[in-house]
Parts: sequence; structure tokens; C-alpha cells
Amino acid sequence: QSVLTQPPSVSGAPGQRVTISCTGSSTNIGIGYDVHWYQQLPGTAPKLLIYGNNNRPSGVPDRFSGSKSGTSASLAITGLQAEDEADFYCQSYDNNLSGWVFGGGTRLTVL
Amino acid sequence: QITLKESGPTPVKPTQTLTLTCTFSGFSLTTSGVGVGWIRQPPGKALEWLALIYWDDEKRYSPSLRSRLSITKDTSKNQVVLTLTNMDPVDTATYYCAHTVDGGPPSPWGQGTLVTVSS
Repeated sequence: QSVLTQPPSVSGAPGQRVTISCTGSSTNIGIGYDVHWYQQLPGTAPKLLIYGNNNRPSGVPDRFSGSKSGTSASLAITGLQAEDEADFYCQSYDNNLSGWVFGGGTRLTVL
Repeated sequence: QITLKESGPTPVKPTQTLTLTCTFSGFSLTTSGVGVGWIRQPPGKALEWLALIYWDDEKRYSPSLRSRLSITKDTSKNQVVLTLTNMDPVDTATYYCAHTVDGGPPSPWGQGTLVTVSS
């Protein structure tokens, strides 16, 4: 049972927009800790996609964007491409656990 | 350029102690604010944070595994070592180490090492 809650799967056709939600609580996202997002392609390590709620590392296309409000955060992907198929994880810090927390992961399928 | 690489034995027998080494380059664990964390991922399942160690030797552990975990650093070798005692088949997972700085996200990550627990 992951501390942060994500939908198990989302899907969309090429060119469409999809969003992935990440719900936390008052001990992590709700208390102000940043949310970060990772993309994990099959057989590879997670790669940082969004940091500090809405910032893209160098090299990440602007089709990927993040937002945060209250105890939740969202990742939006516009102009879906086949190569976007992957698992996506949100991550934050939890005050009670004094460490990192992750979402359960969301598998994106491009139809 | 920051790189990390995990190494360790596989398979591991039940009840044995797992010792994993993270060897890194491109940063120093003597620099203020820098840390290295361990995360694992059972096959087909989600990511789970295990432990963190910072430049000042502050250590954090996942409460659910605290009694079985230990994390140490060797700054002269640019290595962080994680030990997990009393291994069980449910501990079968890919184990990753990752860099962090100033409370930011774990990034980058190592390639991961698959540890299988089997008799």
C-alpha cells in the first residue's frame, strides 16, 4: 500500500492529452512538500520528469507539465506519442516517516 | 556528470543478510546537503523507499524495515553500503541507489540490481 495514491492506469490516443493524479495527505503533499514525477520505461530505472511540482529538467519536452494543489498533484501529458508509454510515479517527502514516499505508479498506454 | 551503480550478490538464501554497494562518481558525500538513498521495486510492483544517508552521516530508515536495515558510507571510496538482514522471498526486488541534494528529488538513479531470494 503506497503512501501516495495514483490511478493504476490511464490511456489515450496519439495526440491526445492525459492527466495522472497523485493524492497524498497532511503529512506529505498537504504540508507543503514538493511533488516530483518519474517516468520508468520498461526494463530501465526511473528518470526524473518533473521536479518541484512543475519544473522540467533539461531535455524533458514541454509536453509534460506538473501542478499541485492542497494534498494532491497532477501530471499532464499533451500531444501523446507512442514513446510516452511507460509507468509514471509521483514522489514526495513525508513528515511522519521522515523519508521519501512514492505513489503506486500509473501505467500509460498509448492506444 | 553524476553516475551511480549498484552491486551485490544474487541469489540470496532466506535468512541471510544482503549487502549492497552503491559506487558513485561526479559528486562527493562530504559536500553539504548531499545524500544517497536506496529504493527497491519488486517485480511488477511499485517503488519503495528504504534508507537515506546524508553528507553529515545523518541516517533515515523506512519505519517498516528499520529493524532490518543499516546504511553506511565510505567517502574515501565514494561508496554507500546498505545491509538488509533476515532476507525473505518477499524481499526479491530490483534495488536502486540514487543521489539527492538539498532535500530535492532522488536523481539520478543507478541502473539497479535485481536481487532474488531463493533457497
